[in-house]
Amino acid sequence: DAKTTQPPSMDCAEGRAANLPCNHSTISGNEYVYWYRQIHSQGPQYIIHGLKNNETNEMASLIITEDRKSSTLILPHATLRDTAVYYCIVRVASSASKIIFGSGTRLSIRP
Amino acid sequence: DSGVTQTPKHLITATGQRVTLRCSPRSGDLSVYWYQQSLDQGLQFLIHYYNGEERAKGNILERFSAQQFPDLHSELNLSSLELGDSALYFCASSGRQANTGELFFGEGSRLTVL
Repeated sequence: DAKTTQPPSMDCAEGRAANLPCNHSTISGNEYVYWYRQIHSQGPQYIIHGLKNNETNEMASLIITEDRKSSTLILPHATLRDTAVYYCIVRVASSASKIIFGSGTRLSIRP
Repeated sequence: DSGVTQTPKHLITATGQRVTLRCSPRSGDLSVYWYQQSLDQGLQFLIHYYNGEERAKGNILERFSAQQFPDLHSELNLSSLELGDSALYFCASSGRQANTGELFFGEGSRLTVL
């Protein structure tokens, strides 16, 4: 079973920031938070990951709460091309682990 | 382009048949993961190989098997196919950089069983 909980769907206006929440209350100390997205039926795309500090890259920002029980993915200026299913997963960054995807959040960007 | 190559992209076959899906990971990646995604469903983890050895198994059916070869490419074999096996099958690789763990997915193989 997935170790994360995400809302099934969200929407956001184009040009605004999209904030996608994820709960991972049973996260272990050595587990990272990863975010992926899947546009239509394409292969999922890695977005960002973090352990306990906030992270930012060219695609998004990841905010992890101090107790690490939840996180938020922020797409600063959403475009129509950001319409996708977003998956939040937790995992140990090692070579021997299952990587379980939950149901994700279907993000719709409205013009 | 993720650097992960999957073939074939599309495959149509009949019930009871056997098919082989192939995955070439990114250059230097040692890990290969296989996922199944049925219509409008989530990604179901099947199996993980690391440098030729099976490392983790999900809810993979006994009719399915996989292996990773010395050149690190992987094959997923599906036999005695049923209508319910129709799905997208994704392969992902990781491991080029130690302890970063992000997965890079191929574009998938769409299997249709008639």
